[in-house]
Amino acid sequence: DSGVTQTPKHLITATGQRVTLRCSPRSGDLSVYWYQQSLDQGLQFLIQYYNGEERAKGNILERFSAQQFPDLHSELNLSSLELGDSALYFCASSLLDTAGNTIYFGEGSWLTVV
Amino acid sequence: QKEVEQDPGPLSVPEGAIVSLNCTYSNSAFQYFMWYRQYSRKGPELLMYTYSSGNKEDGRFTAQVDKSSKYISLFIRDSQPSDSATYLCAMSRNTNAGKSTFGDGTTLTVKP
Repeated sequence: DSGVTQTPKHLITATGQRVTLRCSPRSGDLSVYWYQQSLDQGLQFLIQYYNGEERAKGNILERFSAQQFPDLHSELNLSSLELGDSALYFCASSLLDTAGNTIYFGEGSWLTVV
Repeated sequence: QKEVEQDPGPLSVPEGAIVSLNCTYSNSAFQYFMWYRQYSRKGPELLMYTYSSGNKEDGRFTAQVDKSSKYISLFIRDSQPSDSATYLCAMSRNTNAGKSTFGDGTTLTVKP
């Protein structure tokens, strides 16, 4: 158990809908990362928050947004969902985001768009 | 062309074999190199972390980085059935290792 908790574990929704994925980082970790893992694109970094502020952006679509709350939990919002958004979404956390800090992944949220 | 290319596998070896997993990359700005292990339906877990060129050993695992050739490897000695998983290489340009570019993974099966 990495200590990173993601909910829901599985989600099925229709095209055009909006969903919110939730992540609780390991106790004390300030940095939260979101990733998407799909068969055709592999594991891709989406976005990072550090102590409530956006720190880095990767290949995140404009239809997607995230935030980190004062209690350090984070949410990833996916809107206007398309079939191609079906994937496993991981949250990860680390104490800091500097070299040598281990990143711990949650077990992921499986999203199926039908 | 992808920035990071990983030998696709799958790889199947007998227990006790030495396993070599490899990635090549095109971006010379990558400075930090990681190997993750991902069991089926689980999140990746960090196995090895190296900075710049050289070797790093941790138990049965050795990570090797050759920046001149833009090539990294992970060696597993005395492989065990519990090593059966997908292995992902990852690389980062700066100290923010979370903002990494990942290989597509190599699935390894170690047969008893």
